[in-house]
Amino acid sequence: DTGVSQDPRHKITKRGQNVTFRCDPISEHNRLYWYRQTLGQGPEFLTYFQNEAQLEKSRLLSDRFSAERPKGSFSTLEIQRTEQGDSAMYLCASSLRALVGSNEQFFGPGTRLTVL
Amino acid sequence: DQQVKQNSPSLSVQEGRISILNCDYTNSMFDYFLWYKKYPAEGPTFLISISSIKDKNEDGRFTVFLNKSAKHLSLHIVPSQPGDSAVYFCAATTSNTGKLIFGQGTTLQVKP
Repeated sequence: DTGVSQDPRHKITKRGQNVTFRCDPISEHNRLYWYRQTLGQGPEFLTYFQNEAQLEKSRLLSDRFSAERPKGSFSTLEIQRTEQGDSAMYLCASSLRALVGSNEQFFGPGTRLTVL
Repeated sequence: DQQVKQNSPSLSVQEGRISILNCDYTNSMFDYFLWYKKYPAEGPTFLISISSIKDKNEDGRFTVFLNKSAKHLSLHIVPSQPGDSAVYFCAATTSNTGKLIFGQGTTLQVKP
């Protein structure tokens, strides 16, 4: 296992279309996170899962966004009725929930979304 | 409300010298801090972290210092190398959630 993978790497869509992104975490990691990054900013937290349970969802995430992690392995992030403001880099990260200590998260390469 | 701030958008240093990147936070509940490095078209890569019970953590050329009373942390890179040129993000978290709150990033350029 070489790390977190994301697919696709780039997505161009027209406003109003639906898009879905996939993230495959490091295999033994039980936590999976989604972040969004726009130009000149740091990544912003969207949501995270521990195994298949979605434990927290940011207020940034409107009703048009939904994320799933059905079997506690890969995750999908869907955006319905895309808007130009959704254009950003969508990053996925995974970690192993430890009893104490590190919250180190390993990031994938991201999916660059452009909404025309 | 920006809970984690990196007030210097960019920093330029000469190869071999020290690079010091700074980060301030406002939430006293944060108990773990991390630094990530990001190259263009790649995801952030973990560099080094520090727990709030410590004031210093060192890993090779990288040292992170935490001053809880000032709500300030810094990353020192000694000696700086041209390959260190990247965007550096500090991030903070509380151990019960695990979600990371990132600063805006500082672009480091190390000149040969």
